[in-house]
This record gives sequence, structure tokens and C-alpha cells, in this order.
Amino acid sequence: DIVMTQSPDSLAVSLGERATIDCKSSRSVLYSSNNKNYLAWYQQKPGQPPKLLIYWASTRESGVPDRFSGSGSGTDFTLTISSLQAEDVAVYYCHQFYSTPYTFGQGTNLQIK
Amino acid sequence: QITFKESGPTLVRPTQTLTLTCTFSGFSLTTRGVAVNWIRQPPGKALEWLALIYWDDDKRYRPSLKSRLSITRDTSKNQVVLTMTDMDPVDTATYYCAHSPGSSSGTGWIDPWGQGSLVTVSS
Repeated sequence: DIVMTQSPDSLAVSLGERATIDCKSSRSVLYSSNNKNYLAWYQQKPGQPPKLLIYWASTRESGVPDRFSGSGSGTDFTLTISSLQAEDVAVYYCHQFYSTPYTFGQGTNLQIK
Repeated sequence: QITFKESGPTLVRPTQTLTLTCTFSGFSLTTRGVAVNWIRQPPGKALEWLALIYWDDDKRYRPSLKSRLSITRDTSKNQVVLTMTDMDPVDTATYYCAHSPGSSSGTGWIDPWGQGSLVTVSS
């Protein structure tokens, strides 16, 4: 199985400041044949299912604010929120869909400082 | 617009078998590359992928639960069914069904998700 490890587990950031969440996979999720990273990011608010933010490691889903961005390749990835808004308080998960069993990171709980 | 509805029991006794049905609309499970997943989330814990069924009826399972899981589909009813045998209190969780799109790059990420179905295992 590909193990996904996020850091930190929890994070408190002031409104308007940058938030950065890292995700590391135990094996590369980059397919050399198409140069795509099979990595997605989700946001989950209490009582709701996860919402897709980013796929292919850096492609923003339609309707997702442009303050959310994804970067990285191979085994190391980052989700960045450029200017934290109150509505961004949530748990964030990375997910690899490179191979089954699909796996998720343990989640990062993002709060307002 | 893709939608999902999970249905099944809210309470299951230990050792019983859980059967959950996912009824979907807005896509075809016979379209190349498409898959339907089951994922669960124990209260206050992280997401745990359980199984998926592909457009060609191929199936994949979480290795640690493979002996207890079965995923099937009924394309005429747009339904996917997950069964999990020998339920235990540690299986208490919200169970989600969710779509994976197909593309020229294969089967993709998980989106969208159903609202989930909370299943409690207790005597």
C-alpha cells in the first residue's frame, strides 16, 4: 500500500495569512507515461462529505477559489491557501489514486489563530 | 449532475452482515474508466477507502478487509451494493459511496461523494 503522511496534524493560521499543508507518499505517484501525479486534495467540514479541491496534484477543481493551490511531484506535495478566510476552517486530506488500495492522509485540522 | 444516495441500516448487531446500497444518477457505470467507490469514516477519524467497482465490473478491495467485503453492481438500476460480513463495533462509521471519473489517463480521483450513511455496530 502507498502510505500518505500529512504534516502538520493541526494548524492555526491568522485570517488573511498563508496556510501550508504538506503530504508525503511512501512511493512515487507520478506516472512517467503521461507525466501526471495521481494526487488529489479534499476539504471536509463537520457533518459534510469531503469536497474535491485539487486533482492531478495542481489542477484546481471548477468553482474552487483561486486562493487554493497545489504543488509538488513524485512523493512530496503541498496544498497552499494563500490568504486564509473564515470559511476555510476544515480538515484537509490528500489522496493518492495511483494504485489500489487507494489511500488518504490522516488529515490536517486547520483552525483560525 | 452526479448524485448519490446511500441506503441501509443505521444499526447493526455484532457478527451480522451489513448491506449498503448506493443509488446514483448523472453518469453511466459502463463508461470506460469510471468507477464507484466505498469509503468509510469512523467518528472523528480519517477517511478509509474500502472498495471500488470499475466500468468493466473489475473489483478492488482494501486488503485488510478483503475477506469480509463484496461489491457488486446492477447497471439497470444504477446501483452499487457493498456487503460487509462479521460486523464489529470498530466498524461503526459513516459509509460514503463516491464516483471516480474516467479519462485518457485512466480512472481518476474520487468526486463527487454521497452524503454518507452512519452505521452503528452495537448489541
